[in-house]
Formats: sequence, C-alpha cells, structure tokens
Amino acid sequence: DGGITQSPKYLFRKEGQNVTLSCEQNLNHDAMYWYRQDPGQGLRLIYYSQIVNDFQKGDIAEGYSVSREKKESFPLTVTSAQKNPTAFYLCASKVGTGPANEQFFGPGTRLTVL
Amino acid sequence: GQQLNQSPQSMFIQEGEDVSMNCTSSSIFNTWLWYKQDPGEGPVLLIALYKAGELTSNGRLTAQFGITRKDSFLNISASIPSDVGIYFCAGQWNNDMRFGAGTRLTVKP
Repeated sequence: DGGITQSPKYLFRKEGQNVTLSCEQNLNHDAMYWYRQDPGQGLRLIYYSQIVNDFQKGDIAEGYSVSREKKESFPLTVTSAQKNPTAFYLCASKVGTGPANEQFFGPGTRLTVL
Repeated sequence: GQQLNQSPQSMFIQEGEDVSMNCTSSSIFNTWLWYKQDPGEGPVLLIALYKAGELTSNGRLTAQFGITRKDSFLNISASIPSDVGIYFCAGQWNNDMRFGAGTRLTVKP
C-alpha cells in the first residue's frame, strides 16, 4: 500500500532534549512538508523540501531542523531551542511542485514535552 | 504568514440536516482544497478545486471555487454521524499553501 508513515504516534520528551520525528513516503513524491498543528489554529508550515538535498524554511522554522538525504524520507528534529514544542506534527507530500497537485498527509505525531 | 478565515468555528446539527462552511482570504489562490480530520489523525483530502467558478461534488459533499479566487465553500447534504470531525480549507498559490483554522462539526443522532 502506498502512503505516508510517521513515527512514533506519541512522543514524550524532557525539556532540553532534542527529538527527531520520522516521516517516510513510498508514493514517489518529490515534495515533502512539515506542519505544526495547535488547538484552534490552522496548520503552520515549519519546513518543506522540493527535491533531495534541498529544503526551505517555512513560517515557523526557528527551533527546528530537517534533512532530505533520500527522496522518501524527511525527518524533523525538534531542538531544545524550540520554546513551546508540545504540539501535533503533520508530515505531507505531493507529487510535484505545480499548483494542480494536492498535498497528502501522514497520520501525525503528538509530541509532549514534560 | 497569513492564514485563511474559515467559518463557522463549530457547528452542532441534527442528523439529516445540511451543512455549509466557507473560507475567505485577502489573497487569490489557484487551487482550493477541503480536508477532513478525525481526532488524532492526519487530514484526509475530500475535494480539490482548480478553476475559478468550479463546482465539484464528491458524494454528499459539494464545494465551489469562488469566482474572485479569494473564497470557497463546502456543503454537506443529509449529514450522518460519521461526518463528525474537523473540516479544513486550504488555498494554494504555486508552492505556498495556507490553511483555515477549521470547522468542528458535531452531528447529533
């Protein structure tokens, strides 16, 4: 089955620790995205990548880092510099960069900082 | 970045009723998308719209791309309990995508 997987589903972290969230897709999509979702708000873009070995900051990139070493993988690291990291994180991908392509989402990872 | 204005924020309706929600923006988009999200899950795409004025249906769902390219609406007819969830609009301009804050729908049997 083709799709986007995110792991883990739930993640707990102590304050001051870095943590990496996994996102894998087997859809052969070129572009991948990371969003943050907080209650009562729309999704906010953290980082995106249109091709391997290239990525761009989104609206709220501070305190986060990414890598895109393989087409199918786009891990997100939440660093200790992120002041309010508790949130639901969503990864998405789409086949190309044109406007006629829709983004498809993974199931999400809920990060809680203790 | 600017997010979209989505309304209403929440709706409580009786099973069988029709539902309407909409999104507006001060910017134009070349694609409008509607997603549904169940609790603790990722959004699932319901309808995609690519042309101003386009009206598209997917079962009991109907969505339209506003003629000004700055708005879109989603209608759900004859609601059923499994329609419960949060519905998000998204406007896309090339590689830039913006989201509404969502409409939380509750359907009472």
